[in-house]
Amino acid sequence: ETGVTQSPTHLIKTRGQQVTLRCSSQSGHNTVSWYQQALGQGPQFIFQYYREEENGRGNFPPRFSGLQFPNYSSELNVNALELDDSALYLCASSLERRNTEAFFGQGTRLTVV
Amino acid sequence: AQSVTQLGSHVSVSEGALVLLRCNYSSSVPPYLFWYVQYPNQGLQLLLKYTSAATLVKGINGFEAEFKKSETSFHLTKPSAHMSDAAEYFCAVSYNTNAGKSTFGDGTTLTVKP
Repeated sequence: ETGVTQSPTHLIKTRGQQVTLRCSSQSGHNTVSWYQQALGQGPQFIFQYYREEENGRGNFPPRFSGLQFPNYSSELNVNALELDDSALYLCASSLERRNTEAFFGQGTRLTVV
Repeated sequence: AQSVTQLGSHVSVSEGALVLLRCNYSSSVPPYLFWYVQYPNQGLQLLLKYTSAATLVKGINGFEAEFKKSETSFHLTKPSAHMSDAAEYFCAVSYNTNAGKSTFGDGTTLTVKP
């Protein structure tokens, strides 16, 4: 059974550009959550997808958007990148929307210059 | 609204000493509570969770935590620290039985001295 995998592991983007981060959920998991973890802080909830539909969103602007595909993998898209978007982006998958455990990937380190 | 406060951003203990990491939460509904560990440049690993069953929860690597509703606390302890315990620890709270929608504290960095 494979765990949660994220790609790429690191990337550098220029302010104003757009970026797409990818996440493959753990086998059999239909719920994917995305978090932003700025340096020295705890993860902050961006949004969650359940069976290809958004199932809740945190306090992030609309330029943060996502998708979930029929195989339950997911993408996080960020438009018009700002310097403050530099962070570790974490993906977590769960077996169901109602769940007592989320499994995290290793994260994607995004640096905006 | 739910929130988590981790008291002490840095905790230092000697190898073999007691580890105590503090977490207080606020939640308008019965919470689910979690402790995660994060090693440098890695994701989060679940140490233990409270989901309204036993108030004393045992986790991996010898860690345990006690849910105290009257104190709104969920402190993490380990009787004897090991060098490999050095890491960042996060307390998190969620509700509506959805661990994927959690609110995290700012973390506590644990240093273990030889």
